[in-house]
Amino acid sequence: KQEVTQIPAALSVPEGENLVLNCSFTDSAIYNLQWFRQDPGKGLTSLLLIQSSQREQTSGRLNASLDKSSGRSTLYIAASQPGDSATYLCAGGGGGADGLTFGKGTHLIIQP
Amino acid sequence: KAGVTQTPRYLIKTRGQQVTLSCSPISGHRSVSWYQQTPGQGLQFLFEYFSETQRNKGNFPGRFSGRQFSNSRSEMNVSTLELGDSALYLCASSFSSGSKTDTQYFGPGTRLTVL
Repeated sequence: KQEVTQIPAALSVPEGENLVLNCSFTDSAIYNLQWFRQDPGKGLTSLLLIQSSQREQTSGRLNASLDKSSGRSTLYIAASQPGDSATYLCAGGGGGADGLTFGKGTHLIIQP
Repeated sequence: KAGVTQTPRYLIKTRGQQVTLSCSPISGHRSVSWYQQTPGQGLQFLFEYFSETQRNKGNFPGRFSGRQFSNSRSEMNVSTLELGDSALYLCASSFSSGSKTDTQYFGPGTRLTVL
């Protein structure tokens, strides 16, 4: 059974800092790894999708990496802004599971 | 292009009742998946429909069911509601094969409260 863990559970940093969010998964037979953000009371917004054959994906100030051998993914946010404050979720597709398997998320606060 | 829409956005029901939630996927998307989000369990997969057929099902009791129509719109039904069914129910659509290869696009969710 796939399990996804996100560390840290919460993070507060001053505006302008670069930061890294971590995601680990137990079954390396995943098809892809997706990162989402969720604002309070809202649905999920897709940020990046990394296929199992890829090592990283970039979108603007965001960069996500995937290392299947170690069961890890990271989301790098450059030059953080207050608008980046949200809960960030990673989810693995496949890996013996039906549907996406989500971590519990990292609650991120960017202090102005 | 319009995003995923879910109706209603909020629902209040009492124990023992049943409820139907609706999801309209992004135009052209054929896969619809449903998830339950609670503070304790996080996001959990309920089921996925593709071309009117249930492809996958999560570990939920038979009280949770769904269907998909020919226009890809999907409904989820929960019968004999329990207090523990209070949650945010999210649906996600993708172009083809669901979670295995495609980006999942999520709707805003339906907040269900069971009293």
